[in-house]
Amino acid sequence: QVQLVQSGAEVRKPGASVKVSCKASGYTFTSYGISWVRRAPGQGLEWLGWISPLNGNTKYAQNFRGRVSLTRDTSTSTASMDLRSLSIDDTAVYYCARDLGPIKGIDYWGQGALVTVSS
Amino acid sequence: QSVLTQPPSASGTPGQRVTISCSGSYSDIGTNTVNWYQHLPGTAPRLLIYSNKQRPSGVPDRFSGSKSGTSASLAISGLQSEDEADYYCTSYSDSVHGWVFGGGTKLTVL
Repeated sequence: QVQLVQSGAEVRKPGASVKVSCKASGYTFTSYGISWVRRAPGQGLEWLGWISPLNGNTKYAQNFRGRVSLTRDTSTSTASMDLRSLSIDDTAVYYCARDLGPIKGIDYWGQGALVTVSS
Repeated sequence: QSVLTQPPSASGTPGQRVTISCSGSYSDIGTNTVNWYQHLPGTAPRLLIYSNKQRPSGVPDRFSGSKSGTSASLAISGLQSEDEADYYCTSYSDSVHGWVFGGGTKLTVL
């Protein structure tokens, strides 16, 4: 069965960086994109960006361009998200999800990784 | 502020039918399909509807979706207590070249 297993919770100080990983199994990793979405406390879902595991192409949401980097390692079927220059407002649960494209959407999601930014 | 507009809350009693709306623009809902998710905080979001009205296997037929122009809606019939959750619509946006979400609707089963 399709599974996306994310790394654990992280605590960072403002200005620091964080890296969240996402290991895929149960399907061919390079066949579908991976999107990253977050949910901050009291807020809705927000898309950060997308990566093609096949060729490493990326797209980033305007709000995060320059602060986020998405990478992938096809040898381990793992996607990663780096978020830099953290602020208190970046405290959120970060999800990776399998992205089937604009028509079929995002289907399977990881369990989420809580990132807490606190001084 | 979310790109797609949803009512912040909805409610119904067990057995009732409730509808949640989602409004967008030409560059997102007007051009692309709509997907709906059910989300309980602390869990992974669950895909309920894709391509406007298609249900993934395992999703009960109590859940249905529709789209007209730049708006879409999710209907839940035979409401059950387990349906109490947050519901999100999403669509691909040709203007931002990525996914846009609604702000979410908190459904309460009275």
